[in-house]
Amino acid sequence: EPEVTQTPSHQVTQMGQEVILRCVPISNHLYFYWYRQILGQKVEFLVSFYNNEISEKSEIFDDQFSVERPDGSNFTLKIRSTKLEDSAMYFCASSTRGGGYGYTFGSGTRLTVV
Amino acid sequence: AQSVTQLDSQVPVFEEAPVELRCNYSSSVSVYLFWYVQYPNQGLQLLLKYLSGSTLVESINGFEAEFNKSQTSFHLRKPSVHISDTAEYFCAVSSGFQKLVFGTGTRLLVSP
Repeated sequence: EPEVTQTPSHQVTQMGQEVILRCVPISNHLYFYWYRQILGQKVEFLVSFYNNEISEKSEIFDDQFSVERPDGSNFTLKIRSTKLEDSAMYFCASSTRGGGYGYTFGSGTRLTVV
Repeated sequence: AQSVTQLDSQVPVFEEAPVELRCNYSSSVSVYLFWYVQYPNQGLQLLLKYLSGSTLVESINGFEAEFNKSQTSFHLRKPSVHISDTAEYFCAVSSGFQKLVFGTGTRLLVSP
């Protein structure tokens, strides 16, 4: 069964550093998403990406965050200057259609900011 | 705006007992409803979804959920749980080509 692959599985970074979280969505999917889950809290939407541009973003997704699909296969989330409160599990997802149709989530990247 | 409420943060149950995990949603438009399961140290897996048609939907591992529009609920049930069902269960709602909005999750703890 096709999978969404996320790397790394765990990343530790110092506060103020830039991090890039990487995702390889399923090849024929058109919609791409990032969600995050702070430890013990609910899963929160960050951003959706379609047709090479952001289609929707949440209040969390401020100027410190950016997404890119640099080469047609990878989908990256960049955090420019990490803060302690960015520590969370970050999930990438892709789908053939939007709104949860056929969503497939990756196994997540646990980001720890120290 | 949409929201999802999962009133039970944790549900302990004995193996082979029935279980119900409650989910209520709020939305001003038609919705699609989902249950996701998260096993320890793993990602989110779709358990079942309601898009349209029959209000009772089933998963391959014995879970079922019923969409009740009048009560704005989508409770998850299983008649007999296994130890392996121990996991976090998230209810989520979407209104078509929009993001998923998740509830806070319910931890199902199955003991022998």
